[in-house]
Amino acid sequence: DAMVIQNPRYQVTQFGKPVTLSCSQTLNHNVMYWYQQKSSQAPKLLFHYYDKDFNNEADTPDNFQSRRPNTSFCFLDIRSPGLGDAAMYLCATSNMGGQPQHFGDGTRLSIL
Amino acid sequence: SQQGEEDPQALSIQEGENATMNCSYKTSINNLQWYRQNSGRGLVHLILIRSNEREKHSGRLRVTLDTSKKSSSLLITASRAADTASYFCATYNQGGKLIFGQGTELSVKP
Repeated sequence: DAMVIQNPRYQVTQFGKPVTLSCSQTLNHNVMYWYQQKSSQAPKLLFHYYDKDFNNEADTPDNFQSRRPNTSFCFLDIRSPGLGDAAMYLCATSNMGGQPQHFGDGTRLSIL
Repeated sequence: SQQGEEDPQALSIQEGENATMNCSYKTSINNLQWYRQNSGRGLVHLILIRSNEREKHSGRLRVTLDTSKKSSSLLITASRAADTASYFCATYNQGGKLIFGQGTELSVKP
């Protein structure tokens, strides 16, 4: 089945230690998104790629970066995680703008 | 902000009852979408209703849209324990960003 896969499902890192979350898709969608979701809140968009074009949200901290080496893969890098970065990180894809998004099951990030 | 509001924030019902969630948004839209999120999982797209549609059905789901009031509702009929989840409405803004409502947490008790 075509899907969006996030690895790992759970990630524990130390305060200030860089961490990378990964997302892959078999849907061949043009657009890939990264969201941060904290408990009992709606997902918050961090950035998205439309093909290779990177679009950063104005309020996304500089600490967060992303790479999309090809259509199928996208990575979220957190350079120096702080306690406030503990959250669920969701990857999503869509065929084009304005269409339903397909989400992975997320990576829950804990900071020690 | 285009962020919509949903009510109620939490809803607890018995199995077999109907559940209704409401969503309001602020700007003009092309479509409005509803998503479900089970605890600890990603969001799942349920249904999309276009701005020129007033009602849409999918299985036990019924969605209405009133563009004059900038509001939508999601009705789940004959609810089951497996319907327990958070439900979000969402619309795209002109910048192509999907804006979610705050969500309704539905609990269906067996």
